[in-house]
Amino acid sequence: GENVEQHPSTLSVQEGDSAVIKCTYSDSASNYFPWYKQELGKGPQLIIDIRSNVGEKKDQRIAVTLNKTAKHFSLHITETQPEDSAVYFCAATEGAGRRALTFGSGTRLQVQP
Amino acid sequence: DSGVTQTPKHLITATGQRVTLRCSPRSGDLSVYWYQQSLDQGLQFLIQYYNGEERAKGNILERFSAQQFPDLHSELNLSSLELGDSALYFCASSVRQDEGTDTQYFGPGTRLTVL
Repeated sequence: GENVEQHPSTLSVQEGDSAVIKCTYSDSASNYFPWYKQELGKGPQLIIDIRSNVGEKKDQRIAVTLNKTAKHFSLHITETQPEDSAVYFCAATEGAGRRALTFGSGTRLQVQP
Repeated sequence: DSGVTQTPKHLITATGQRVTLRCSPRSGDLSVYWYQQSLDQGLQFLIQYYNGEERAKGNILERFSAQQFPDLHSELNLSSLELGDSALYFCASSVRQDEGTDTQYFGPGTRLTVL
């Protein structure tokens, strides 16, 4: 089955700086890669996703890049704000034909004001 | 607010007991997924239903079962509970199952504590 590794486990940045979180996946048949933000006491909230036919996607301060050859994808947050502080999870589908998500272990992002 | 609702929000019970967690998907969504989030295992997929039928199974214990009803709400049944079953249980829903890759929207979760 799919295995997703996520780094770093914790990340502390100053407000206004950029933050980068990286994930690798094992199943070359995986074709969908969402990123979720989870705040304390809440469920995961989708912030951006990318499909395997696209190399990069941007939504305001958030961008995701995908390298299918190397089987890794990254989340980039620019101009970080204190409200960006949360746990971020990357995920990948479990391969072609399956829709369940395999999640990375999470990155706790702290943005210092 | 994702549009996915889960009840109850919190559940405290004893070992050996049985509980039922309920999920209502977003309006129009046919697919429901259950995930377990624990400190040591992270977020793990348990089971998926699509329009009333089981479609995929993950790391779901035999003591756990689920179903999706004609009105598309889903229930996750956990029996013979053990201390290690204490976790957050999330339900997610998406529109389709077979066409393309659908966005999954997560509910607020049910926190289960087994004493």
